[in-house]
Amino acid sequence: SQQGEEDPQALSIQEGENATMNCSYKTSINNLQWYRQNSGRGLVHLILIRSNEREKHSGRLRVTLDTSKKSSSLLITASRAADTASYFCATDLNSGNTPLVFGKGTRLSVIA
Amino acid sequence: NAGVMQNPRHLVRRRGQEARLRCSPMKGHSHVYWYRQLPEEGLKFMVYLQKENIIDESGMPKERFSAEFPKEGPSILRIQQVVRGDSAAYFCASSPGTGGVSAFFGQGTRLTVV
Repeated sequence: SQQGEEDPQALSIQEGENATMNCSYKTSINNLQWYRQNSGRGLVHLILIRSNEREKHSGRLRVTLDTSKKSSSLLITASRAADTASYFCATDLNSGNTPLVFGKGTRLSVIA
Repeated sequence: NAGVMQNPRHLVRRRGQEARLRCSPMKGHSHVYWYRQLPEEGLKFMVYLQKENIIDESGMPKERFSAEFPKEGPSILRIQQVVRGDSAAYFCASSPGTGGVSAFFGQGTRLTVV
């Protein structure tokens, strides 16, 4: 069954606005990662947040993690047309090398 | 340091043929994961391999699908007697083998069964 569930499924915003995507998961995790996928392309790793971290920043990206609610959010500030892509959260259930479990993704469209 | 390399990028097979997908992990990475992505869906885990060993194949269909990661050479995902439902994008990821480190993905192989 799907571990992660992104919300919303699709999001359309104007260039310059902020985009917020949420991810909920079901079981305890070791860490949570966000990936971006441009149409027809592979996945690009954006950011990893460990279970003992609450917030992490990378450039225009801000990720939060609330383990009590089993949820994470990805905020993209000052969005650009080039941010148009699908965004996936993936959870790592245990320490070690267990496979990542992906949600279905949020499709973000940034309109110039 | 080249990234994860998958080939071919696109593969067309007729029903009943065999499909062989290759994945060369990043240099120094000994762990390989295969995922399948259907249109408008997320990635579904298929199999996790280390050199010469299958660690977890819980996501692999029981029939027609097999995977290997030999001591030398790329990891191979093999689909025998392909059917239309096998049409999907197949992604490979690799990691160095230490926990809590992000996996790096290849560009994928898009398999179309006609």
